[in-house]
Amino acid sequence: QPVVTQEPSLTVSPGGTVTLTCGSSTGAVTSAHYPYWFQQKPGQAPRTLIFDTNNKLSWTPARFSGSLLGGKAALTLSGAQPEDEAEYYCLVSYGDARVFGGGTKLTVL
Amino acid sequence: QVHLVQSGTEVKKPGASVKVSCKASGYSFPSYGFNWVRQAPGQGLEWMGRFSAYNGHTNYAQNFQDRVTMTTDTSTSTAYMELRSLRSDDTAVYYCARESNGGIDFDFWGRGTLVTVSS
Repeated sequence: QPVVTQEPSLTVSPGGTVTLTCGSSTGAVTSAHYPYWFQQKPGQAPRTLIFDTNNKLSWTPARFSGSLLGGKAALTLSGAQPEDEAEYYCLVSYGDARVFGGGTKLTVL
Repeated sequence: QVHLVQSGTEVKKPGASVKVSCKASGYSFPSYGFNWVRQAPGQGLEWMGRFSAYNGHTNYAQNFQDRVTMTTDTSTSTAYMELRSLRSDDTAVYYCARESNGGIDFDFWGRGTLVTVSS
């Protein structure tokens, strides 16, 4: 089974910009892997932020954006807010199978 | 509005089975499938499998291939995930998430069902 890797933890200053990445053990992540990004706060269910690389849902704040960067999927947060402190997970599709990354704990400090 | 209401907390003994339900409302149930995801205490998310509304087929993660069954009941707008031969490391919160046909695989999520496996 493929392994999807994320930074275990990152810190961003309020108002700052940070990029989280999502890599695959099988090689470059491409749009054909339909990468997703999810936000999860303690005690809550995950919330989907980005689908199919760079598409936002109606509730996704404009400060979040998805892209492909250097063979990985990327989630960029521009203008971090205290409420953005959370765990972020990516998900990569391999045909009919889906694999989550291990998650990135984002601290806004 | 879309709501996915999951069944309540379960406590099971090793070797038993559990069936978690996810009752949907606010949309046309037959038009959407479901993904199931679990999260062990203090751990990350783990994809378990999906039920496709497009063709009624299921795809299960390798780790669960032999022990899980995902179904839906259109008469009650409810999705089910049954996990058999439970072990202590199956202790987790189990989530359902809606999947559209050719659209967004995970848009709305249930709040999760805690399943504890303990002797």
